[in-house]
Amino acid sequence: GNSVTQMEGPVTLSEEAFLTINCTYTATGYPSLFWYVQYPGEGLQLLLKATKADDKGSNKGFEATYRKETTSFHLEKGSVQVSDSAVYFCALAPFGNEKLTFGTGTRLTIIP
Amino acid sequence: NAGVTQTPKFQVLKTGQSMTLQCAQDMNHEYMSWYRQDPGMGLRLIHYSVGAGITDQGEVPNGYNVSRSTTEDFPLRLLSAAPSQTSVYFCASSTPRRDTQYFGPGTRLTVL
Repeated sequence: GNSVTQMEGPVTLSEEAFLTINCTYTATGYPSLFWYVQYPGEGLQLLLKATKADDKGSNKGFEATYRKETTSFHLEKGSVQVSDSAVYFCALAPFGNEKLTFGTGTRLTIIP
Repeated sequence: NAGVTQTPKFQVLKTGQSMTLQCAQDMNHEYMSWYRQDPGMGLRLIHYSVGAGITDQGEVPNGYNVSRSTTEDFPLRLLSAAPSQTSVYFCASSTPRRDTQYFGPGTRLTVL
């Protein structure tokens, strides 16, 4: 079956540091890949997505590239802010199917 | 535009009690789903619906019932609550292209 493996947290960084959160997946075919973010006390919001190999998703300074050869979709940001503190979830959905499979989530804390 | 709404925000039940978690969306989305979020396990799909009158089971359906009589509403019923159902429950709906899911704010349920 499908699965998503995420970097264990929690992750604590200083403001303006470089961020990488690793995500690898197992799936048949060509799934769509997503990063969702959950701010404290809120539901999940889509941060970015990529639907085919070598696509780069980007939003709010975050980026992730769909790497089929390494089955990875690592999340990166060049300079994090305190407001980026949240839990980040990597997820996949089979092509044409909405049923998301989530990773366990990575809690990120940014200190001033 | 309210998006996806869930009620209640918090609920405490005793073992054996029943209740319904409400979910509504005003975006005319066909696809709706329920997830539960547990520490260290990410989100897991409970039930989903691809349209009014059509529901199906997800990864962890036992102990839960759903129905979809209208496009807007997708209630989740706990028939006889158990402590193992203590969790945060999220409802989501999907865009017509089915490539982005919108999540509600969640219901935190505690079963004593």
